[in-house]
Amino acid sequence: EVVMTQSPATLSVSPGERATLSCRASQSVGSNLVWYQQKPGQAPRLLIYGASTRATDIPARFSGSGSGTEFTLTINSLQSEDFAVYYCQQYDYWPTFGGGTKVEIK
Amino acid sequence: QVQLVESGGGVVQPGRSLRLSCAASGFTFSSYTMYWVRQAPGKGLEWVAVIRHDGNNQQYADSVKGRFTISRDNSKGTMYLQMDSLRAEDTARYYCARPRDNSLGTKYFDPWGQGTLVTVSS
Repeated sequence: EVVMTQSPATLSVSPGERATLSCRASQSVGSNLVWYQQKPGQAPRLLIYGASTRATDIPARFSGSGSGTEFTLTINSLQSEDFAVYYCQQYDYWPTFGGGTKVEIK
Repeated sequence: QVQLVESGGGVVQPGRSLRLSCAASGFTFSSYTMYWVRQAPGKGLEWVAVIRHDGNNQQYADSVKGRFTISRDNSKGTMYLQMDSLRAEDTARYYCARPRDNSLGTKYFDPWGQGTLVTVSS
């Protein structure tokens, strides 16, 4: 099983600032990496697939990068609606998810 | 629009069974592999089971193998998860999830249903 590790567990950011979230895979997954956003009481929402391609209707302030074992989700100019938990997931093998990063208001 | 609606969750005693359903609409259900993904309260996400578009191949996470059975009825646009020998650690919200497209390699999900909560407790 590919183990996905996200850091930090919690990120405190002020509105308008940039957030940088990290995700590491225990073995190479190529570019087979997605990011989801989850708000309380809601299902996850796909943000990024193929490590760097934004899903439909996802604002340009969300960007993904990386390949192999190291990946980053960057959220520029954080808006109030962006405060949520973010999960990475690899799909090179059977899907496995990271433990999540909670982005909270500083 | 594409919609997935889960049902069948509830409170069940350890060792008992429960069957979840996922009703799909707004897309050609029979063309898509479908997944169950769960999330324990306050925890992360875990893939549980997958069934190929024609129902002829199923795979399971090690944590549920031999206890859970995934199936589908393409004529009804519905997927099922039969959960037997339930344990406390199976307590979670169970989501039905469709891959973003119906390519074989697309093992990521968009959309998800709203989930149905299963609580295993005596």
